[in-house]
Amino acid sequence: GDSVTQMEGPVTLSEEAFLTINCTYTATGYPSLFWYVQYPGEGLQLLLKATKADDKGSNKGFEATYRKETTSFHLEKGSVQVSDSAVYFCASGYQGGKLIFGQGTELSVKP
Amino acid sequence: DARVTQTPRHKVTEMGQEVTMRCQPILGHNTVFWYRQTMMQGLELLAYFRNRAPLDDSGMPKDRFSAEMPDATLATLKIQPSEPRDSAVYFCASGKPTGTGGTDTQYFGPGTRLTVL
Repeated sequence: GDSVTQMEGPVTLSEEAFLTINCTYTATGYPSLFWYVQYPGEGLQLLLKATKADDKGSNKGFEATYRKETTSFHLEKGSVQVSDSAVYFCASGYQGGKLIFGQGTELSVKP
Repeated sequence: DARVTQTPRHKVTEMGQEVTMRCQPILGHNTVFWYRQTMMQGLELLAYFRNRAPLDDSGMPKDRFSAEMPDATLATLKIQPSEPRDSAVYFCASGKPTGTGGTDTQYFGPGTRLTVL
């Protein structure tokens, strides 16, 4: 079945550092891919998504490109802020169906 | 700004008691998901509904958990009897088909933090 694997956390960075959180997936078809973010004490929020190969999702300075050849959807940001501290979840899914989530990667950004 | 609402936000109960969690999906969304989040297991899908009909509840322990949608504005998740291992945060999410071949974005509620003593 389909699965999503993320790099393990926690990831600790200094403010303004470059961020990469790796995500790879296995799929029987051609899913859409998502990054969700969870701030402390809150539910998950959609950060960005891509629906087909080579699409790039972007939001709030974060980017991820749907790479079919490497089955990856790595999250990047050029300059992180303290307010980006959260848990980030990569997910895959098909239209109208359930999402398969990775285990989450905790990011801590220090001033 | 439409949001998914969940009640209660926090629940502390004793082992053996019945627990009912409620979710109000975003108006117009026809798909509702129930998730459980723990440190050990991460985020697990328990069940989901489309147009109030259950599509998949394979993630739910059938002997003690039940999920229903009495109407389009209310989804419930019940645990009877509750056990300490049920302690977790339970999230409800709602979504709708995009109609253009894309996948639903799921909108999550704030969660119900359940503690079973």
